[in-house]
Amino acid sequence: QQQVKQSPQSLIVQKGGISIINCAYENTAFDYFPWYQQFPGKGPALLIAIRPDVSEKKEGRFTISFNKSAKQFSLHIMDSQPGDSATYFCAGNDYKLSFGAGTTVTVRA
Amino acid sequence: EAQVTQNPRYLITVTGKKLTVTCSQNMNHEYMSWYRQDPGLGLRQIYYSMNVEVTDKGDVPEGYKVSRKEKRNFPLILESPSPNQTSLYFCASSFLSKNQPQHFGDGTRLSIL
Repeated sequence: QQQVKQSPQSLIVQKGGISIINCAYENTAFDYFPWYQQFPGKGPALLIAIRPDVSEKKEGRFTISFNKSAKQFSLHIMDSQPGDSATYFCAGNDYKLSFGAGTTVTVRA
Repeated sequence: EAQVTQNPRYLITVTGKKLTVTCSQNMNHEYMSWYRQDPGLGLRQIYYSMNVEVTDKGDVPEGYKVSRKEKRNFPLILESPSPNQTSLYFCASSFLSKNQPQHFGDGTRLSIL
């Protein structure tokens, strides 16, 4: 049973567009929510993370929005670039990481 | 260069033939973990270790063994592999302090025929 539900499974966006990936969780013990980015043939790498006492965190073109009451959080990729084409995983952490199923993002030039 | 190294990267083998996937990290991390990645399921934790000689089960430990005799190494052992263990495996490590980012290896693709 997946503790973090992630959607969509895949998305295609034009260069310069906005990619949005949504995640929902049930475990209120989660106290840290990282996003990982994975390129083909590579392991996941930490992209950005947020704590539940913060509603938004921005790093460059990547923004996490967090809604604690709804137990939902999302990743926004602004001005999407072909180099952003990858699989993205959200996760929740209590004493260990629980990952969402992943979203494959394809950015068309 | 800080890294997590897994070997082999690819392996095709047959049911029942014992195999070991090695994992080594050079960052002096206390915490190490093994995951399997399957389509539509994301990454699921198999086993983890908080330090030398301290290991515990993750979410999907059946059919796997691990050991942690040295801080830098955390091998994954499949004593009698079966086709349902065909998957992409990742080793990860981090410091033990709360909410430390995990550093992943580049993966091992196992095919069990």
